[in-house]
Amino acid sequence: DGGITQSPKYLFRKEGQNVTLSCEQNLNHDAMYWYRQDPGQGLRLIYYSQIVNDFQKGDIAEGYSVSREKKESFPLTVTSAQKNPTAFYLCASSRADEVNEKLFFGSGTQLSVL
Amino acid sequence: SQQGEEDPQALSIQEGENATMNCSYKTSINNLQWYRQNSGRGLVHLILIRSNEREKHSGRLRVTLDTSKKSSSLLITASRAADTASYFCATDARALTGFQKLVFGTGTRLLVSP
Repeated sequence: DGGITQSPKYLFRKEGQNVTLSCEQNLNHDAMYWYRQDPGQGLRLIYYSQIVNDFQKGDIAEGYSVSREKKESFPLTVTSAQKNPTAFYLCASSRADEVNEKLFFGSGTQLSVL
Repeated sequence: SQQGEEDPQALSIQEGENATMNCSYKTSINNLQWYRQNSGRGLVHLILIRSNEREKHSGRLRVTLDTSKKSSSLLITASRAADTASYFCATDARALTGFQKLVFGTGTRLLVSP
């Protein structure tokens, strides 16, 4: 079964703690994305990567960091600098020739602050 | 600011009825897409319409695009309870060079009652 897997489904962060959200895809897609979704809102782009070992900031990158050491993996770290991290985080991927044309999404991680 | 805005914010209908939701955007686009999100899940790509197309069909879905009015509509015919979800439009802005990120609207919440 090809797809994109996010883990964990639920995550709790303590004050001052960094947490990492996992995103793995076996679709052989070059492009990967992280979005943040707040209740009743659309998605906002945090980071994106079009190729291994390269990534770019999106609209709301402050307080977040990513890495892209492998094609299939694009983990997101929510750092202590992100003062309002509670949100639903969505990872997505697409083919290199379908960047921004047909995104495949994972099932999301709900991050909450303790 | 948001590129796409959906209307209405929420829609409640009976099974068998048609559901129409609208999306307006602000700048020139290459394409417009519609995605569906079940509660607490990731988004699923439904349909893409390019800027030089006016109408597109996929099963019970019909999408129209009016670039002169910068608007699109999604029609779901003969709706079913399983169509209950939030529906988002997403647009990309034309650019001469560089990455053209997708911008998502705030979504229409559709409730289909048996």
